[in-house]
Amino acid sequence: TAGITQAPTSQILAAGRSMTLRCTQDMRHNAMYWYRQDLGLGLRLIHYSNTAGTTGKGEVPDGYSVSRANTDDFPLTLASAVPSQTSVYFCASKGLADYNEQFFGPGTRLTVL
Amino acid sequence: GQNIDQPTEMTATEGAIVQINCTYQTSGFNGLFWYQQHAGEAPTFLSYNVLDGLEEKGRFSSFLSRSKGYSYLLLKELQMKDSASYLCAVMDSNYQLIWGAGTKLIIKP
Repeated sequence: TAGITQAPTSQILAAGRSMTLRCTQDMRHNAMYWYRQDLGLGLRLIHYSNTAGTTGKGEVPDGYSVSRANTDDFPLTLASAVPSQTSVYFCASKGLADYNEQFFGPGTRLTVL
Repeated sequence: GQNIDQPTEMTATEGAIVQINCTYQTSGFNGLFWYQQHAGEAPTFLSYNVLDGLEEKGRFSSFLSRSKGYSYLLLKELQMKDSASYLCAVMDSNYQLIWGAGTKLIIKP
């Protein structure tokens, strides 16, 4: 079982360019999340989706957009990248119950120059 | 505001016991999670507490006191592979996880 996958593993991007980070899960989880992780800070929620067709804004949504066309996929798009978006991005998914843990993808390391 | 506090770094000796503390102030409480994250890898789930008391799972135990806004993760019989960051996260009233910055645990032989 693959679980949750992300692509690419890493990327160097010029400022002002757009990019989509891909996330796919095969666990049929309803909820999916995008976080960024920066040194010295906790994971910060960018956007989330509680079920296919719905999305919501997290703590740091500016400069990012998401879509949830189906259960499995939850892409994150940077429309015009800026250096402050240099970070490690993690996608996660969770089953229905509140006590279900979030399962994380391997992460995408993004550098914006 | 919402706040999760945990020590930045701790050092312990192989075979010993270490306790990692976490204090929180959040808008609502629907459970507390502990995750382990090895360097360069994704976080992985360790434990979940929603009621006061101690939950034991092998070498790892997690304790919660809701009235004190306090939890700890206890690691026994430390092994070198336990060198990692340990993340405390609280599920708030919106059922979103609020994360601490993590505690880097260094194990020395």
